[in-house]
Amino acid sequence: GAGVSQSPSNKVTEKGKDVELRCDPISGHTALYWYRQRLGQGLEFLIYFQGNSAPDKSGLPSDRFSAERTGESVSTLTIQRTQQEDSAVYLCASSLVWGLTGELFFGEGSRLTVL
Amino acid sequence: KNQVEQSPQSLIILEGKNCTLQCNYTVSPFSNLRWYKQDTGRGPVSLTIMTFSENTKSNGRYTATLDADTKQSSLHITASQLSDSASYICVVSAGDSNYQLIWGAGTKLIIKP
Repeated sequence: GAGVSQSPSNKVTEKGKDVELRCDPISGHTALYWYRQRLGQGLEFLIYFQGNSAPDKSGLPSDRFSAERTGESVSTLTIQRTQQEDSAVYLCASSLVWGLTGELFFGEGSRLTVL
Repeated sequence: KNQVEQSPQSLIILEGKNCTLQCNYTVSPFSNLRWYKQDTGRGPVSLTIMTFSENTKSNGRYTATLDADTKQSSLHITASQLSDSASYICVVSAGDSNYQLIWGAGTKLIIKP
């Protein structure tokens, strides 16, 4: 597709359940980011992938969060044993140019509600 | 500590008026500064990217300025339109970590008819 695609767009789950969020970056983009945005708040960095390099997982808030990406393709963000504080919009962005001036292109986000 | 602060937190102006949003940063070493527009319920969209040597950059009715000495940037919106209602986010890239972006909390702009 022409842009970054995320699915599902909305997810409602019960506390304690696992959820998986998917991101399809723009074709050819080597860099991929996951961010979390709570209602009315700024973006929180979660994880960064660059090609086949080891990802930067420094933003993951707990070991319940994990993310995978195969090469330069699809990425999945998994949240295990969801808690109510996990409720947020999860945004994925990809970038063509690794490093300093690469413009980020964002998807529309996956809105997660944990009841 | 690398930080980006934006002001005001929110702003309401009448359609057709101009406005200026501010961004102060304490990011070192500085690499570049970006402004994003985020409509409610959507992902952010890039407006401008400015490097150290650029003082002014325009994108239609949006003009960004950068003063690397005082570590300040502004985003000026001319002849505002209802569609300008959004959050405007300032983001600074630290030069020692090419991909790490320091995000401001944003300014929520509301344009009233």
